Amino acid sequence: DADVTQTPRNRITKTGKRIMLECSQTKGHDRMYWYRQDPGLGLQLIYYSFDVKDINKGEISDGYSVSRQAQAKFSLSLESAIPNQTALYFCATSEGPAGATGELFFGEGSRLTVL
Amino acid sequence: EDKVVQSPLSLVVHEGDTVTLNCSYEVTNFRSLLWYKQEKKAPTFLFMLTSSGIEKKSGRLSSILDKKELFSILNITATQTGDSAVYLCAGDLLRDNYGQNFVFGPGTRLSVLP
Repeated sequence: DADVTQTPRNRITKTGKRIMLECSQTKGHDRMYWYRQDPGLGLQLIYYSFDVKDINKGEISDGYSVSRQAQAKFSLSLESAIPNQTALYFCATSEGPAGATGELFFGEGSRLTVL
Repeated sequence: EDKVVQSPLSLVVHEGDTVTLNCSYEVTNFRSLLWYKQEKKAPTFLFMLTSSGIEKKSGRLSSILDKKELFSILNITATQTGDSAVYLCAGDLLRDNYGQNFVFGPGTRLSVLP
């Protein structure tokens, strides 16, 4: 089983719909991230969380919200999806600073298409 | 503004060739530089570099960091078709004095032809 699991893996929706992407991890990491990937733009950070009570905006947070329900769960919501949110979304985790290796562990990605 | 730039953005070579991928960064509170390989979906970790001049190697791949000139290179020798992927470079920085965070470059798309 994957250490970082994203659901759904693929989703097609219509403009204006609310969408939730879920991420769960079994690595025991405190830090979780949501990234968006568009062709030629690398990975852009949407939101990140360093523990259950901590939520931080990344570089492209507009139009998105997150919830950290538990150490192992971090969900991303699009309140009213629009076509330019069509992208590949990745959840990732990393260790805290005390044991930080600098490595991000990624889920398999969720491909979202907004029509 | 923290920024990571990679070059070239795209590269096509033939099997057996040696390639060098470049990554330059402007990252405040820099901690380390990371390289990832992305084939179809999730990026997979290759290297983490924290010190200048120390080469890290894994098989045919190697990487080195220059913290004075703010760049890193990833070398792949005797390329194989299985090396075809997007190679991502990321700067790991300390944010707010306690957290780490990652700034990614756009990636280099490497295509290795048989």
